[in-house]
Amino acid sequence: DAKTTQPTSMDCAEGRAANLPCNHSTISGNEYVYWYRQIHSQGPQYIIHGLKNNETNEMASLIITEDRKSSTLILPHATLRDTAVYYCIAATTDSWGKLQFGAGTQVVVTP
Amino acid sequence: KAGVTQTPRYLIKTRGQQVTLSCSPISGHRSVSWYQQTPGQGLQFLFEYFSETQRNKGNFPGRFSGRQFSNSRSEMNVSTLELGDSALYLCASSPGDSEKLFFGSGTQLSVL
Repeated sequence: DAKTTQPTSMDCAEGRAANLPCNHSTISGNEYVYWYRQIHSQGPQYIIHGLKNNETNEMASLIITEDRKSSTLILPHATLRDTAVYYCIAATTDSWGKLQFGAGTQVVVTP
Repeated sequence: KAGVTQTPRYLIKTRGQQVTLSCSPISGHRSVSWYQQTPGQGLQFLFEYFSETQRNKGNFPGRFSGRQFSNSRSEMNVSTLELGDSALYLCASSPGDSEKLFFGSGTQLSVL
């Protein structure tokens, strides 16, 4: 699976949009980009995933560049409850549960 | 739907003992994966079961084993516990057709 690179940390003001970047320059054609987050002392939570088209759900939007070498997760209106570690992962549909969680991005939402 | 349930929530064992952790997946989910999380190594994949068969395995010693029952519930076992096995053990379930995993809250294992 392709390696992903994320900033170590970022701050965001409550109510503003949070834009979380991820680089995956070696991603292969059959690998999806998955985003998870982990709030302290809880298990990771699935956010969104996509292959090449932009995706949106009730939690976030995922913007994937045309060359698929990078993506951005957008939390449209950050709240204090969005403070968490966010993981960007590249995986195929037959990864069979094996996700390569890196160090992720620690996002702190401040009032 | 009820979420993924892991029991027990906390466990304290001593070196050399063995331990069994339990995971009940979301109803209808046939895939169960196990992860170990430590401050130093982060989240690491242990193994995955689908319809009672192990489909994938991470890079852990043979002391770590698992199984899945016909109702999709899963157990993992760690034998001859070492201090380094202290970790949060997470279970995740999915229908098995994507990597959209639903995680439980984990079992915090402390080995003394």
